[in-house]
Amino acid sequence: DTEVTQTPKHLVMGMTNKKSLKCEQHMGHRAMYWYKQKAKKPPELMFVYSYEKLSINESVPSRFSPECPNSSLLNLHLHALQPEDSALYLCASSQDGQGASVDTQYFGPGTRLTVL
Amino acid sequence: QKEVEQNSGPLSVPEGAIASLNCTYSDRGSQSFFWYRQYSGKSPELIMFIYSNGDKEDGRFTAQLNKASQYVSLLIRDSQPSDSATYLCAVKRDNNDMRFGAGTRLTVKP
Repeated sequence: DTEVTQTPKHLVMGMTNKKSLKCEQHMGHRAMYWYKQKAKKPPELMFVYSYEKLSINESVPSRFSPECPNSSLLNLHLHALQPEDSALYLCASSQDGQGASVDTQYFGPGTRLTVL
Repeated sequence: QKEVEQNSGPLSVPEGAIASLNCTYSDRGSQSFFWYRQYSGKSPELIMFIYSNGDKEDGRFTAQLNKASQYVSLLIRDSQPSDSATYLCAVKRDNNDMRFGAGTRLTVKP
C-alpha cells in the first residue's frame, strides 16, 4: 500500500481565516513533506520532517506553519494567507528521509487551496 | 542555470511510437533520480527511479542515467494515448532535498 491521504480535497478561505491541511500515511514512513504547486509549474518543496523533527524549511513565510504530531500525521496550519498562496498543496512521504540513496517519495492527492 | 532542466514540450508522438524524455541536472552530488507522471489536476505518480549509471527497464519504460554527462532520460515504448501527461524529472541530493524539473508535456495521438 503506497497511499498518502490528504484532507480536505478543496479549500476556499479568506485572507483573515485560519485553516489547516491534514496529511496521513500508514506505510511506516518516517519522513513527510509539504510541497506547493502552482498551475503549470513543478512542485516546490516547503518543509521536510524526518523522524518527527523539522529538517528542511525552505524559507517559507510564517503564515504557513507545519506540525508533525506523530510519524503518521502531518499538518499545515494556514493563517493570514494572500491570494498568491492559492495553489495545489501536496503532501508526500518516504521511508526515512535520512539521505539514503533511494528514498522514494509517494505523493498524496493534494489539497486545492483558493485564497480570496 | 536551473538545477533540473527539461524540455517543456509539448512533445507529440503517434500511438505505438517511442517517446523520449530528457533531463539534465547541475549538482554533481545528486544521488538518485526519479521520473513522475502527472495528469492534469492530479498529483505526481512515481514511474521509475534510478541511481546507477546505465539503463533500468520496467515494462514499457526505460530510464537511462549518465552521471558524467549529468543526464537522465526516460523512454516510453509503444506509447499509448493514456500516457499523455506531464512527466517530471526529480533529482535528490544527499540532504534529502528533492528538486523537480519544469516537466515535459507529452501528447500521444491515436
